[in-house]
This record gives sequence, structure tokens and C-alpha cells, in this order.
Amino acid sequence: DADVTQTPRNRITKTGKRIMLECSQTKGHDRMYWYRQDPGLGLRLIYYSFDVKDINKGEISDGYSVSRQAQAKFSLSLESAIPNQTALYFCATSDLIPGVGDYGYTFGSGTRLTVV
Amino acid sequence: SQQGEEDPQALSIQEGENATMNCSYKTSINNLQWYRQNSGRGLVHLILIRSNEREKHSGRLRVTLDTSKKSSSLLITASRAADTASYFCATDDGGFQKLVFGTGTRLLVSP
Repeated sequence: DADVTQTPRNRITKTGKRIMLECSQTKGHDRMYWYRQDPGLGLRLIYYSFDVKDINKGEISDGYSVSRQAQAKFSLSLESAIPNQTALYFCATSDLIPGVGDYGYTFGSGTRLTVV
Repeated sequence: SQQGEEDPQALSIQEGENATMNCSYKTSINNLQWYRQNSGRGLVHLILIRSNEREKHSGRLRVTLDTSKKSSSLLITASRAADTASYFCATDDGGFQKLVFGTGTRLLVSP
């Protein structure tokens, strides 16, 4: 099994619908992130969480919400999907690299979301 | 806004040639990381260079960092068709809080 698993892999939804993207990890990392990728724009941070009780907005949080149900689970919701939220969404975890003192990141395989 | 800009946006070379990608960033950092992304897939960590390091090697990868110019370069030597992917630089925000990504370089290596 992958260290960071995202479901679903692909989703098509209609404008105005609520949709949840799920992420689970087996790394035992406290820190989890949701990023969005659009062509030519790289990855942009939506939300991040440093533990179950800690949730922080990223660069582009408007229109999104998150839930950290457990250390291993971090879900992203679009309350009312709109077409410009069509993108590739990535979940990631991070933890200190032993002996290095910096954080290493592990990414999931992504969810391709299309809002029509 | 993006922390980094990468140059070139796209690079096309033949197998065996070297590929060089550049990254510029805006704020002070603790480290800079390079990631690889195969088409539509997740990102894979390649190499991390700390702000007090100037050069780092890992296999066919060589990364340099110039903090005075706020720039980094990634060199892939003796490229292979399997190196075809997008490459992103990413910097922490100086406080170990989160990674901020550049816009990426698309590398195509032809056999």
C-alpha cells in the first residue's frame, strides 16, 4: 500500500455540489497538507495541519474546508463546487528527517477533479 | 503567490546530454528542495540542500544554491528518456512551516 493514499483518483462533479476528497497516511507523520495544481502555476497550498487540533489556512483556502479526523486522516471539502476549482489535488505529509533537521515530504498520487 | 520561478519552462534534449534547470525564490529560506513529477502523478522528492550548503550531489543529480542571489540550479547529467518529467523547486518559508513551490520545468529527453 502507498504511504499516502488519496481517494478518489478521479471525480467529475456538477457545479454547486458538495464534494469531499480524502487522504490517509501510514507514515505516522503529524503534519499534513493539501495542495492544488493548475497547469503552469505549480502547486499552491490550500490548508495544512500540524496535528489533530491544529488547522491552518494556506494561500488559497477560500471555497475549501478541511477536517483532520485523526493523525492519519485529513479530508478536503468543496462546499459548493465551481468550475474554476477544476484541478489536480495533492495531499502530502511531512516529518523531520533524522540527522538532517529538515522536513521531508511525501505526496499522494493526486485526485483529478473536474467541475462541470 | 508562488515563491519561485523556474527557468526554462520547458527543455528538450537528447539522451546523454546534460539538463540544467534554474530556480529563483523571493524570501529567506532554511532549505530548498527539488521534486520530480511524472505526467499527472504525485511528486517525488529528489534532493534537499540546506541554506548553509552551496552544492550537493546525489547520483546523476547536482544541485547548487546561491543564497545571495536567491537562486538554485539542478543539473541532471547523462540524461535518459526515463528522466522525462516536470521538475519543481520548493522552499520552506523560513520557519519550517510549509513548502512553497515554483512553477516547474518540463523536461523532455528524446532517445
